[in-house]
Amino acid sequence: DTGVSQNPRHKITKRGQNVTFRCDPISEHNRLYWYRQTLGQGPEFLTYFQNEAQLEKSRLLSDRFSAERPKGSFSTLEIQRTEQGDSAMYLCASSLTRGLENIQYFGAGTRLSVL
Amino acid sequence: AQTVTQSQPEMSVQEAETVTLSCTYDTSESDYYLFWYKQPPSRQMILVIRQEAYKQQNATENRFSVNFQKAAKSFSLKISDSQLGDAAMYFCACLYGGSQGNLIFGKGTKLSVKP
Repeated sequence: DTGVSQNPRHKITKRGQNVTFRCDPISEHNRLYWYRQTLGQGPEFLTYFQNEAQLEKSRLLSDRFSAERPKGSFSTLEIQRTEQGDSAMYLCASSLTRGLENIQYFGAGTRLSVL
Repeated sequence: AQTVTQSQPEMSVQEAETVTLSCTYDTSESDYYLFWYKQPPSRQMILVIRQEAYKQQNATENRFSVNFQKAAKSFSLKISDSQLGDAAMYFCACLYGGSQGNLIFGKGTKLSVKP
C-alpha cells in the first residue's frame, strides 16, 4: 500500500477554466476527506465521504465546487469557473473508522494556481 | 464554534535540545481526539502523535510526547533530542466525536532546528 495518492501535484489554470483533481485513498479506507490549505494557514475542511455517500459539506464549498466518490474508492474534486481566490493546496485524506477512532492519512496535495 | 489555537507562529531549537509547541482548543464536547501532524516543506502531512480525550495518561511516541491538560484545554507537544529532520510545520488538530468526522486545525507552528 503506497498511501494516499493525489493527481496532479500541480495545476496552473486561467481564471474561468474548470479543473478536476483526483484522490486515490488507502485501499479499504471507508472515509475520504477533502481539505483546502492556503499559505500560512492550517487545512480547512471542505467535504467528506463515507464509502460513496457524501455526508458533510463545509460552507467553504461553494456551488462551483463538486466532489464525487462514485464507487466508494477514488474521489474527484471539480472546481468550475475558477477564481484567483481558489488558488490553494487541496489535500485529500482517508481513514478507516472504528467506532470513534478516526486517524486520517493525508496525500501530498494538489497545488492549484489560478492566473 | 470549535477552535484550535497555536499561539507560536515560529519556534527554533538547537539540535539535540528539547522544544515544546503549544496548542489550546475550545469545545463543549466530551468525546474528542487530539492530534499533532508534521508537514515538511513540499511534502505530505504525517501524523506525529494522538491523544484520546478520555485517557488521562499522556501519549508518547519515541522522542515525541504530549502534555494533555483537559481542564485547561491545552495540548502541547514536546520534542526531545531534536534532529535536523524535525524541521517542519507542526499542526495541532482536534477531531470531535459523534457524526462530525473532519479535523479542525490550528494555523501551525514553523519549527526550525539549528545544527
